[in-house]
Amino acid sequence: DADVTQTPRNRITKTGKRIMLECSQTKGHDRMYWYRQDPGLGLRLIYYSFDVKDINKGEISDGYSVSRQAQAKFSLSLESAIPNQTALYFCATSSLETQYFGPGTRLLVL
Amino acid sequence: GENVEQHPSTLSVQEGDSAVIKCTYSDSASNYFPWYKQELGKRPQLIIDIRSNVGEKKDQRIAVTLNKTAKHFSLHITETQPEDSAVYFCAVDSGGSNYKLTFGKGTLLTVNP
Repeated sequence: DADVTQTPRNRITKTGKRIMLECSQTKGHDRMYWYRQDPGLGLRLIYYSFDVKDINKGEISDGYSVSRQAQAKFSLSLESAIPNQTALYFCATSSLETQYFGPGTRLLVL
Repeated sequence: GENVEQHPSTLSVQEGDSAVIKCTYSDSASNYFPWYKQELGKRPQLIIDIRSNVGEKKDQRIAVTLNKTAKHFSLHITETQPEDSAVYFCAVDSGGSNYKLTFGKGTLLTVNP
């Protein structure tokens, strides 16, 4: 599972700051996803990309943006962080149905 | 969009007992139904999946059953062990070749020694 990596693993930031979370994969998968996990709410899809030129909004995209810099890299940005964006963020990749998750980034917005 | 309901939200069993977690979904076009296990502080990992052309699939102590007519599927864990303690998530795809998953809210399974 070192095939999917996320940086940073932990981050504390302040309200209003811009922050970027990065995801890289060596699996050669075309499809990449960003999820957030909150206690009791499961995994909710923020954005997904099926190739470098394809970006799609998920169910909770407001307040977030993404960039697919290459097949292997997919970044998630919070343009102006707010406290209710405090969560655990996971990147995932897939070639077909099965999704493989990165180790997660724990974000705290003060 | 797809609506996935997962029950129960918590489940406590004695070691050696069986555990069953159920999920229902709304979109009849869905064809792929994976189950993920997330241990404390770790990433979700696929443990078993089933496709709509199959009613049941087993892998050692875990099995998944699917009733596509009723739009529900279940995870069965037999002879539970303490290392089975984790949060389990069901998921459903959006049908076609989209492969976008909608997850249930998760079940915290505790296996007591």
